[in-house]
Amino acid sequence: EADIYQTPRYLVIGTGKKITLECSQTMGHDKMYWYQQDPGMELHLIHYSYGVNSTEKGDLSSESTVSRIRTEHFPLTLESARPSHTSQYLCASSRAGGKETQYFGPGTRLLVL
Amino acid sequence: QQQVKQSPQSLIVQKGGISIINCAYENTAFDYFPWYQQFPGKGPALLIAIRPDVSEKKEGRFTISFNKSAKQFSLHIMDSQPGDSATYFCAASRRLSNTGKLIFGQGTTLQVKP
Repeated sequence: EADIYQTPRYLVIGTGKKITLECSQTMGHDKMYWYQQDPGMELHLIHYSYGVNSTEKGDLSSESTVSRIRTEHFPLTLESARPSHTSQYLCASSRAGGKETQYFGPGTRLLVL
Repeated sequence: QQQVKQSPQSLIVQKGGISIINCAYENTAFDYFPWYQQFPGKGPALLIAIRPDVSEKKEGRFTISFNKSAKQFSLHIMDSQPGDSATYFCAASRRLSNTGKLIFGQGTTLQVKP
């Protein structure tokens, strides 16, 4: 089983609140990813990181931001949550290389009221 | 633009039957094709993957068939079991990509009836 953790698992929050979704991995992986997944839909990459102090936007535009200060930690922040941000957010990590297996965390289900 | 198209969206199979999920891609630069399995409340987990230099890869009851000329690949689950009930995603990534970015299909929800 992959050693990648996400907290909280579920979050219900009001519009306008600032939230941070936590993601940590203990595998020493250089690459980390954030995906957004709506129910019954595919995963869309919203952020990725090659390593410490490296972050890039993914294929799906997102109002969230990320940081990578430590190899094992890749938090995602929404400065002002809106109902349109309601979704599941999945964090993943992989070793360096183009075809390495991505290991996923259990996800955070976010509901913005 | 949907670069990886997956079908069917849902599938019901009797225990012991064969489950078949199909994917088609557009970008000929894709050269790595994994399948991920996701159970409710869990993140996806790699099930099996194939590169375009082979036409078939088998691991236990799971087989990927790959047709490079048609730009299609499929997952076959032999002797399907109720424990195989999950959502399956095909994916693809590009040649020489250092990012490891995966493009996912829309997913197929498989239900195996006992």
